[in-house]
Amino acid sequence: KAGVTQTPRYLIKTRGQQVTLSCSPISGHRSVSWYQQTPGQGLQFLFEYFSETQRNKGNFPGRFSGRQFSNSRSEMNVSTLELGDSALYLCASSWGQAEQYFGPGTRLTVT
Amino acid sequence: GEDVEQSLFLSVREGDSSVINCTYTDSSSTYLYWYKQEPGAGLQLLTYIFSNMDMKQDQRLTVLLNKKDKHLSLRIADTQTGDSAIYFCAEFWSSGNTPLVFGKGTRLSVIA
Repeated sequence: KAGVTQTPRYLIKTRGQQVTLSCSPISGHRSVSWYQQTPGQGLQFLFEYFSETQRNKGNFPGRFSGRQFSNSRSEMNVSTLELGDSALYLCASSWGQAEQYFGPGTRLTVT
Repeated sequence: GEDVEQSLFLSVREGDSSVINCTYTDSSSTYLYWYKQEPGAGLQLLTYIFSNMDMKQDQRLTVLLNKKDKHLSLRIADTQTGDSAIYFCAEFWSSGNTPLVFGKGTRLSVIA
């Protein structure tokens, strides 16, 4: 069974631009969560989607948004990029609550 | 808020056992997890334990849970150079609004 895939793996953007990241969960998994990882703040929860509905949301500004499609694939969007948005963005999928599997991440650099 | 605490660094010799410790604060945690992250990679789920268990063993990995002290440990037997990575402890915070709350990670260095 294929694991969680994320595209693109690397991205360089300029301040003020917007970016869309994509996550394809493991087949059969309906829950997708997004996390931001930075050296200073560690791993921070962004949001979780289940069956196309946002189920949980972390403490991030409204510039960060996401959605989930009927095939469980998810996208997250960051608008008006800031230097501090440079991070590794990780997506995790799960079928139930117990086992959450992470993708390789998208490394976003904002210049 | 709820915090998961881990020591930042651990260095062991190849062949020795490694013990990585973690303390958590949410007494209503349902699952506690250990993830491994190698350079440039995502998080690999190593093992997890349900909060009504005291111990779980999986090949070279042993997880011990002390609910009274809110202490979780991961023991890696016969540590190999390939075990060098950052290890994250995480809790499922059933009383909060986040699926997983992570510690800052413990960097394990294995000396040959």
